[in-house]
Amino acid sequence: IQMTQSPSSLSASVGDRVTITCRASQSIRTYLNWYQQESGKAPKLLILAASDLQSGVPSRFSGSGSGTDFTLTISGLQREDFATYYCQQSYSAPITFGQGTRLEIK
Amino acid sequence: EVHLLESGGRLIQPGGSLRLSCTASGFTFATYPMSWLRQAPGKGPEWVAGISPAGGGIHYGDSVKGRFTISRDNSDNTLYLQMNNLRAEDTALYYCAKSPVASQSFEHWGQGTPVTVSS
Repeated sequence: IQMTQSPSSLSASVGDRVTITCRASQSIRTYLNWYQQESGKAPKLLILAASDLQSGVPSRFSGSGSGTDFTLTISGLQREDFATYYCQQSYSAPITFGQGTRLEIK
Repeated sequence: EVHLLESGGRLIQPGGSLRLSCTASGFTFATYPMSWLRQAPGKGPEWVAGISPAGGGIHYGDSVKGRFTISRDNSDNTLYLQMNNLRAEDTALYYCAKSPVASQSFEHWGQGTPVTVSS
């Protein structure tokens, strides 16, 4: 299953609301997870099963979607949110990731 | 606190073999699915292989099938990745990761061990 994210990069300012899109090449129901990766660190799981916020993740992060189209929204960007974001399907093996969206400070 | 510590990565020539280890602590290792993932410089994560809690269910990514073998020792809280016939394109930081029960998401990651395949 191929995962396609858009955009590949995004410039935004602190306080902005941003949306990242992930599309699967076939239906994956809600088997979609989102990760944040800061430079030099391992990815961090943010959202499980399309919309379930992981414990400790700020509520400004939210996820939605089902089937083939999914979104990650960050409402009220904070400085620490500037990182790279990946979607990942857990519907079937082989597990696959999107190519990433780099969120940069404008 | 969950802690995953990978080891075994190094510089190795093409065609060579390497075994990576991941020592787990802070949780009941035998209860959770585990995986190996890798990330080449400047690229996104790539899932390499996954194994069920008891070790009976194993899956591999297409790029490593037939060359890599994942295994686990639940008595020793250790996950392994045997890598044979290594290629330049296997160069990456290799992570082990813990999944929640009945999920193939990756909720905890180690810090990674680097593998460089080069002559």
